[in-house]
Amino acid sequence: SYELTQPLSVSLALGQTARITCGRRNIASKNVHWYQQKPGQAPVLVIYRDNNRPSGIPERFSGSNSGNTATLTISRAQAGDEADYYCQVWDSSTGVFGGGTKLTVL
Amino acid sequence: EVRLVESGGGLVQPGGSLRLSCAASGFTVSYNYMTWVRQAPGKGLEWVSLIYSGGGTYYADSVKGRFTISRHDSKNTVYLQMNSLTIEDTAVYYCARTMVGLDGMDVWGQGTTVTVSS
Repeated sequence: SYELTQPLSVSLALGQTARITCGRRNIASKNVHWYQQKPGQAPVLVIYRDNNRPSGIPERFSGSNSGNTATLTISRAQAGDEADYYCQVWDSSTGVFGGGTKLTVL
Repeated sequence: EVRLVESGGGLVQPGGSLRLSCAASGFTVSYNYMTWVRQAPGKGLEWVSLIYSGGGTYYADSVKGRFTISRHDSKNTVYLQMNSLTIEDTAVYYCARTMVGLDGMDVWGQGTTVTVSS
């Protein structure tokens, strides 16, 4: 089965840059989408098709996808960015989510 | 305003059935791809099912043969019929609009909770 690997957690200080990875052999051949989920809330799409931001998502959120790793980058991290983040791809009409990464902003 | 509202969750015994509804407003479900995603307590997101604008349907292996996704175009509503429920199906179920071209899921409902327990 198709699996995506994410780190369980990432911690950083306020104002630093967070990088959350999503790994799978040749993931660059897929379009990767990223979701933010805060406790008790529905997920929110923050990046689609590797590096595109939906309207309303701050420019601090960006994405890249190369080789075996896709990366969500959050610049100048704020306390409000604390959340779980999930990567997602489509594999022949089947959706696949990564296991999720808990981002902590200290 | 573009919005999705799920309903139909509840407590059901193992082996039972439940039908979830996802009512859309602000857009037409039949012109879009619609997805169900679930999240077990304390766990990550799990993709469940997809229905294309053309009507084609797809399922995760964990629910194939037990769940059926459908839509009622005049009600602008998507459904998830869940049969032969097990404890492992306990989760919050979200419906989401999937951007055409199988892109990201850009609109999500608030979720409805399904609890399977005896």
